[in-house]
Amino acid sequence: NAGVTQTPKFQVLKTGQSMTLQCAQDMNHEYMSWYRQDPGMGLRLIHYSVGAGITDQGEVPNGYNVSRSTTEDFPLRLLSAAPSQTSVYFCASSYSQGAQEQFFGPGTRLTVL
Amino acid sequence: GQQVMQIPQYQHVQEGEDFTTYCNSSTTLSNIQWYKQRPGGHPVFLIQLVKSGEVKKQKRLTFQFGEAKKNSSLHITATQTTDVGTYFCAGLNYGGSQGNLIFGKGTKLSVKP
Repeated sequence: NAGVTQTPKFQVLKTGQSMTLQCAQDMNHEYMSWYRQDPGMGLRLIHYSVGAGITDQGEVPNGYNVSRSTTEDFPLRLLSAAPSQTSVYFCASSYSQGAQEQFFGPGTRLTVL
Repeated sequence: GQQVMQIPQYQHVQEGEDFTTYCNSSTTLSNIQWYKQRPGGHPVFLIQLVKSGEVKKQKRLTFQFGEAKKNSSLHITATQTTDVGTYFCAGLNYGGSQGNLIFGKGTKLSVKP
């Protein structure tokens, strides 16, 4: 099993550009989530999904969109990148929401100029 | 909203000294999880505590969940350089956070050999 994979590992964008961060898992997990990690801020939940076709907003959803067309994939879209979105983004998955171990991907380091 | 506070933010120890990080929630938790993130890496699950007053050990690591299920601690005995990283607690309150984990901001541990 590859676990949770994320692409790209690094990305530099200009303000206003859009892009999609990819996340995939091969563990048949129902729950998937996106976090951003900023220095001194811990991990903050952006969006999450409890199953294919179901998504919801987390703590910091503004400027981001998600979709979940399959169990395996959970892409995160930046609609119009802003410097405030410079961060490290982690995708995570688990068998079910909340009370299960979360498996994190390796992360995407995004810089917005 | 629900908050999980974690202290200290940083801890510098000499190899062989003990280390403790504390986690406090503003609400009663259903469970609490602990994760470790090595420098440049992604969070990795360490343990989950569910019962009031629960104590679990993993070699030199001791995890405790408070009687009121509002606080937790991680204690490392005789630190080693391999313990370097950031330790996060993550609490679950089904009613307060839509069933999602709320992460503390983490304690960054450095160990001087």
